[in-house]
Amino acid sequence: EVQLVEFGGGLVKPGESLRLSCAASGFTFSNVWMNWVRQAPGKGLEWVGRVKTKDVGGIIDYGAPVEGRFTISRDDSKSTIYLQMNNLRPEDTAMYYCATDFSTRYMGSWGQGTLVTVSS
Amino acid sequence: EIVLTQSPATLSLSPGEGATLSCRASQSISRYLAWYQQKPGQAPRLLIYDASNRATGIPARFSGSGSGSDFILTISSLEPEDSAVYYCQQHSNWPPSMYTFGQGTKLEIK
Repeated sequence: EVQLVEFGGGLVKPGESLRLSCAASGFTFSNVWMNWVRQAPGKGLEWVGRVKTKDVGGIIDYGAPVEGRFTISRDDSKSTIYLQMNNLRPEDTAMYYCATDFSTRYMGSWGQGTLVTVSS
Repeated sequence: EIVLTQSPATLSLSPGEGATLSCRASQSISRYLAWYQQKPGQAPRLLIYDASNRATGIPARFSGSGSGSDFILTISSLEPEDSAVYYCQQHSNWPPSMYTFGQGTKLEIK
């Protein structure tokens, strides 16, 4: 059974940094592209970024609102992906989900999310 | 950037009725559209991919149709557990590669 567990969320001040982790199990992690998706309180879903597998270059793409501030990485030896968030803004307040890529176009399995709150 | 517009914003129906949810893309996306269900306090769940293929474990009451820029999610014989927000989503490979979601349709079962 696919399991994704996010952790690392919390309360930070504007301008600070935070690193989220997503630990995966139940599948061959190194073969799967992985995504981060976020959801502001009471709002819809917003794609944050995706990291491909190393066999296709490990290419990483980001959504426009986070490009240049957020960095995604993966450690296949630990079946974990990371989201390094720098220069956080109040509008980054959201539940952050990791999700497996499905068919290179969609999100298959999702974690339960970790909440990030950016407030002074 | 391709924009997905969902309608209606809210839908209130009774158990046993059928629901029709719409998703319109700002330009043609062939059949590359997915639908997700998100219940309160839960993560989203993939229902439909490639416009009409049900994901593993999804009941046959859920069906998708459409191509080009107009897509429909149909839920037949509604059950109380179908109360949720439903999102459509597409992926474009045109640089930069990106995924976009519709704003969601909230389905309430009376």
